[in-house]
Amino acid sequence: LAKTTQPISMDSYEGQEVNITCSHNNIATNDYITWYQQFPSQGPRFIIQGYKTKVTNEVASLFIPADRKSSTLSLPRVSLSDTAVYYCLVGVAYSGAGSYQLTFGKGTKLSVIP
Amino acid sequence: NAGVTQTPKFQVLKTGQSMTLQCAQDMNHNSMYWYRQDPGMGLRLIYYSASEGTTDKGEVPNGYNVSRLNKREFSLRLESAAPSQTSVYFCASIPTSGGPVYEQYFGPGTRLTVT
Repeated sequence: LAKTTQPISMDSYEGQEVNITCSHNNIATNDYITWYQQFPSQGPRFIIQGYKTKVTNEVASLFIPADRKSSTLSLPRVSLSDTAVYYCLVGVAYSGAGSYQLTFGKGTKLSVIP
Repeated sequence: NAGVTQTPKFQVLKTGQSMTLQCAQDMNHNSMYWYRQDPGMGLRLIYYSASEGTTDKGEVPNGYNVSRLNKREFSLRLESAAPSQTSVYFCASIPTSGGPVYEQYFGPGTRLTVT
């Protein structure tokens, strides 16, 4: 399982774009990059996943450079409700025989300031 | 659909007592997981069940046992609770269809305190 490194915390004002970068130097060919969001007293929630280049959904964008050794989660125009912990996960995720594990690090605690 | 449900939501145990945390999912998912999350920490995998009838240890299995009762239910048992097991416990499941799978669905958690 590839190890990930991300900032422990970040602050942002409402309405700003927030970029959280995750380093994963040992990412393997079959690994996917997945980001989860966790609000206090709740379980984590999947927000976006990608393999290479750029992925965008209604919540966020994920930028992955060609070497895939890092990735950046971009949250456009954050609001107070985006205050949460964001986890970057890297790993193979295939169903069927064999193990399937995701490793959650400590994540990045994003605080949005009014 | 209720998704992933966990019972109880809160529990206080005395050292040495036993209890079982229940988890059920109604999404017909094959794989289920138990995590623990200590204050200020990420989630650590305790046990998982890739499919009905199979269970495997995760990162921190000591002091716990699991049972995959059927496809819907995956329980976690503490035989002799210790203060070090004070934590929030999350159950999760994922759909499996033979291809890349990455979206885990989490339950609301069980907050356990052992005194």
